[in-house]
Amino acid sequence: GEDVEQSLFLSVREGDSSVINCTYTDSSSTYLYWYKQEPGAGLQLLTYIFSNMDMKQDQRLTVLLNKKDKHLSLRIADTQTGDSAIYFCAESILNYGQNFVFGPGTRLSVLP
Amino acid sequence: KAGVTQTPRYLIKTRGQQVTLSCSPISGHRSVSWYQQTPGQGLQFLFEYFSETQRNKGNFPGRFSGRQFSNSRSEMNVSTLELGDSALYLCASSLEGSNTGELFFGEGSRLTVL
Repeated sequence: GEDVEQSLFLSVREGDSSVINCTYTDSSSTYLYWYKQEPGAGLQLLTYIFSNMDMKQDQRLTVLLNKKDKHLSLRIADTQTGDSAIYFCAESILNYGQNFVFGPGTRLSVLP
Repeated sequence: KAGVTQTPRYLIKTRGQQVTLSCSPISGHRSVSWYQQTPGQGLQFLFEYFSETQRNKGNFPGRFSGRQFSNSRSEMNVSTLELGDSALYLCASSLEGSNTGELFFGEGSRLTVL
């Protein structure tokens, strides 16, 4: 079955890099996503990667995909206190309708 | 362009009651999905609607139901509420045929069952 796993907590110091890891099980995933949830808010798309890509960079964000190991990571460079949030990894299989599976979320705490 | 709007934002019910939550998707989005978010279970997929038809359904009991109207607005209903139904209910819309299938989320309806 489909399952997405993430570590639940990560603490980093302001200015350091953060790396959030995720493993997924469905090799037919079309897209993999990183969503961010700030307190009291819904989820907001941070970035995504198509399953035939290895890496995607978007300003401070770098996504790495190892399809063989079904491993996805999100690196945030120069982490700021405003980056403190819960980060969800998600996989999607675009067949008939939406079929998203979300990980449990990693709570990132940025220490001054 | 207005985002996904969910109402009410907060509500308190007692066991055995029923509740109806509403979601207005982004204009032009015809797919609406619902998720339940709890600290213990994370984000769980409830169902997805497209053009007034339920296209996908998660693994929830029949007490959880939904519908979609011709203007793409959606409602979900939970009957015979249980304490375990306390959660943040998130609605998300997406644009059919989009290259990425991105979900746009509302801020959620936080339900507390006493």
